[in-house]
Amino acid sequence: AQSVAQPEDQVNVAEGNPLTVKCTYSVSGNPYLFWYVQYPNRGLQFLLKYITGDNLVKGSYGFEAEFNKSQTSFHLKKPSALVSDSALYFCAVRDSSGSARQLTFGSGTQLTVLP
Amino acid sequence: DGGITQSPKYLFRKEGQNVTLSCEQNLNHDAMYWYRQDPGQGLRLIYYSQIVNDFQKGDIAEGYSVSREKKESFPLTVTSAQKNPTAFYLCASSIVPRLAEPRSYEQYFGPGTRLTVT
Repeated sequence: AQSVAQPEDQVNVAEGNPLTVKCTYSVSGNPYLFWYVQYPNRGLQFLLKYITGDNLVKGSYGFEAEFNKSQTSFHLKKPSALVSDSALYFCAVRDSSGSARQLTFGSGTQLTVLP
Repeated sequence: DGGITQSPKYLFRKEGQNVTLSCEQNLNHDAMYWYRQDPGQGLRLIYYSQIVNDFQKGDIAEGYSVSREKKESFPLTVTSAQKNPTAFYLCASSIVPRLAEPRSYEQYFGPGTRLTVT
């Protein structure tokens, strides 16, 4: 079975400070990992993905994520937060072993960037 | 929101009525999905379809039904059997997921429909 956890329901950070949104996963094989962002009353927008290769993945809007196999984590980061980054962020995983059919999403983390 | 449209944006129904949510895509994707989003629970998969005239149940299919008569369209019916239908419903699409093609797991989402049943 595959699963993903986002341990923080809410993250607050001051504008200009670095931000981190945490994600851990559990899979049988190798993971395919994704981050999506959702603005109020909108659908999800793709930010970035890790499939293979470099552990540091760069995505849209200055976001990046670091894949750590030993810690089974895929934390989302940004060096300098903007107020416009305030949104709901979802991590998702798919096990490459084929034991699961679709993506599994985390419960989401509400990021608030304070001016 | 790409090439996926969902209508209406807001929908209100009385308890006991069936209601159908529309989802259309012009991305030429074979696979389409319906998710339900509730506060603090993330996205839960209701149904998905990888080809016309075929679909599979997701994790929470009870009280829902779908059809896939055209590649572009994947309507979801919330029936009166669904005990807690009030939620935000999201439709998504992708190319058909294949293990050897990791990018096929990247899904594109519509803007969502907020259903309120009273």
